[in-house]
Amino acid sequence: DAGITQSPRYKITETGRQVTLMCHQTWSHSYMFWYRQDLGHGLRLIYYSAAADITDKGEVPDGYVVSRSKTENFPLTLESATRSQTSVYFCASSNRDNTEAFFGQGTRLTVV
Amino acid sequence: EDQVTQSPEALRLQEGESSSLNCSYTVSGLRGLFWYRQDPGKGPEFLFTLYSAGEEKEKERLKATLTKKESFLHITAPKPEDSATYLCAVQAYRGTASKLTFGTGTRLQVTL
Repeated sequence: DAGITQSPRYKITETGRQVTLMCHQTWSHSYMFWYRQDLGHGLRLIYYSAAADITDKGEVPDGYVVSRSKTENFPLTLESATRSQTSVYFCASSNRDNTEAFFGQGTRLTVV
Repeated sequence: EDQVTQSPEALRLQEGESSSLNCSYTVSGLRGLFWYRQDPGKGPEFLFTLYSAGEEKEKERLKATLTKKESFLHITAPKPEDSATYLCAVQAYRGTASKLTFGTGTRLQVTL
């Protein structure tokens, strides 16, 4: 299917476990982003990537790791999950630097 | 630090009752202002990008305008299907960075 897909849609994990959220886009967009959305904070940028093998920190990167070995994939890993990382995570992609980003459906992560 | 403030937080309208949503921003060097619509349980869906003061864009019952300090999303004769959360975001010139700062949104409910 064309577009941007995230998996899983829902995930429950325990404190201290490593968890990886997947993001795949079929447009060959250069830019990809990870955001988290929490009540009262809106969407906050965790990490972004301008191209394969190029990543940079966003506003709230602590506790997260990203990689981008292929243009179409941009996984987000929580190395040791904490309760404060309970959130809805959105992946997005865009074709150029100053154009609109297209968002995935989100992953609702609960850390217990 | 870039800041985006949206008002009101929530708005309830009757079908056909026109209104406006406000997005006030503080940014050093605006590169673009983006409006998104978000339905419950889904990712944000792109609506408009505005790049300079005085610019206006329209799509069906929605019209977005931009000044040097704020943007308005005007909704004319809304229908129940316009019910959603509307998000505003700004992008600033930060070297090669491509980062959006989002507001917390306006939750719109349109009733019959």
